[in-house]
Amino acid sequence: DAGITQSPRHKVTETGTPVTLRCHQTENHRYMYWYRQDPGHGLRLIHYSYGVKDTDKGEVSDGYSVSRSKTEDFLLTLESATSSQTSVYFCAISESVRAGELFFGEGSRLTVL
Amino acid sequence: AQSVTQLGSHVSVSEGALVLLRCNYSSSVPPYLFWYVQYPNQGLQLLLKYTSAATLVKGINGFEAEFKKSETSFHLTKPSAHMSDAAEYFCAVSEAHGYALNFGKGTSLLVTP
Repeated sequence: DAGITQSPRHKVTETGTPVTLRCHQTENHRYMYWYRQDPGHGLRLIHYSYGVKDTDKGEVSDGYSVSRSKTEDFLLTLESATSSQTSVYFCAISESVRAGELFFGEGSRLTVL
Repeated sequence: AQSVTQLGSHVSVSEGALVLLRCNYSSSVPPYLFWYVQYPNQGLQLLLKYTSAATLVKGINGFEAEFKKSETSFHLTKPSAHMSDAAEYFCAVSEAHGYALNFGKGTSLLVTP
């Protein structure tokens, strides 16, 4: 299994508070992604990174920011959490864009009250 | 932009019966296509992928999929369902030089005794 660790795995927070989710990989893969999974929507891309300090927006990036200061860590921040951001968040990594295969973490379940 | 449509959010089959999960894609360039499986409370695992080599792709756990350009389809099949196949299945697409996968909304497979 690919070495991907997400933390925290579960979090309950209140509307308006900041939240940071961490994705840590031990595979030295260049590409990292944050997706959110919601019933009826499948997985939707929030942000992705194609190298240290190189990031770009995905389909549902509003209300989220990311940072990648090291190859192994990709942080997802909700500056002011809202109830619509209650979701399961998945980190994924990929060695090669052309191959396209993503390896996923086990997910972080976030509940915003 | 590339996208996939999965027909049927829920599919129920009897143990031992044929499994057929449908996926149609839309892409302006030759696509890379994938099927992923998600077991409860876990991340996604790659079942198989099409990258323009062979049109019939064999994956893990006895699954296979056939790329049909004329029908813009990439349906997933398995000759004989097992109880352990019960899970959520996602079809995904990327362009050859894209950075991320676009996922369908998923199909939940139920296998009955």
